[in-house]
Amino acid sequence: DTAVSQTPKYLVTQMGNDKSIKCEQNLGHDTMYWYKQDSKKFLKIMFSYNNKELIINETVPNRFSPKSPDKAHLNLHINSLELGDSAVYFCASSQGGSGRAIGQYFGPGTRLTVT
Amino acid sequence: AQSVTQLGSHVSVSEGALVLLRCNYSSSVPPYLFWYVQYPNQGLQLLLKYTTGATLVKGINGFEAEFKKSETSFHLTKPSAHMSDAAEYFCAVNNQAGTALIFGKGTTLSVSS
Repeated sequence: DTAVSQTPKYLVTQMGNDKSIKCEQNLGHDTMYWYKQDSKKFLKIMFSYNNKELIINETVPNRFSPKSPDKAHLNLHINSLELGDSAVYFCASSQGGSGRAIGQYFGPGTRLTVT
Repeated sequence: AQSVTQLGSHVSVSEGALVLLRCNYSSSVPPYLFWYVQYPNQGLQLLLKYTTGATLVKGINGFEAEFKKSETSFHLTKPSAHMSDAAEYFCAVNNQAGTALIFGKGTTLSVSS
C-alpha cells in the first residue's frame, strides 16, 4: 500500500481555472505538509497541518487554500491559476507536528502545468 | 536562521568510485539533518537522518553521513557508486520551530560506466 498518495499525478489546465490536488496518508501520522518544487527543483514549504489545524502558512498567495478534513487527508485548492503556479507539488506527512520534524514521508508529487 | 548549502549542483563519478555529496548548514538551534533522494519523476525518499546521538549515521542503499558540528557539515558518502544511484539528492534541516524542513538546492549525481 502506498504510504502517501496524491491525485492527480499530472494536471494540465488553463490560466484562470480553479483546481484541486488531493493527498492521503495511511501511516497514522498527525502532521501533513504541502511543498512546492519549482523548475529548478528547489523545494519550499507551503503549508503544514497538525491534527487538522494549520500550523505553517508560508508566504503563499491566498489563491492557495489547504483543507484538512481529517488527519489522513490534506487537499490543496488553487483558484485563478497563473502561469507561475506551474510546478510539482508534493504532499508529505510525519509524526509529531510540534517540536522536531523527525523525518517526513513524501508522496509521488503532482505535476501542475498551467497554459 | 536555518539554511542549507549544497556545494556542487552536479557531481559525476564512475561506477565503483567513492560518492561524496557536500552539505553545510546554518542553524540557530541544535539541528536535525536529513538527506533525501529523488529519482526522475518520483517523490522524495528519506535516505538517512541525524537527530541526536551518534554522529555517523547509516542509511539505506549503503549511504552514510557524518554530522560535524565544528564544521557545520553533514556530508553524504557511499564507498562504491552504482548506476542506480544516479538521482537528485537533497540535504535538509528542520526549521527553528521544528515544524518543517528547509531544503538545499539539490545535487544531481551522475554515474558513468
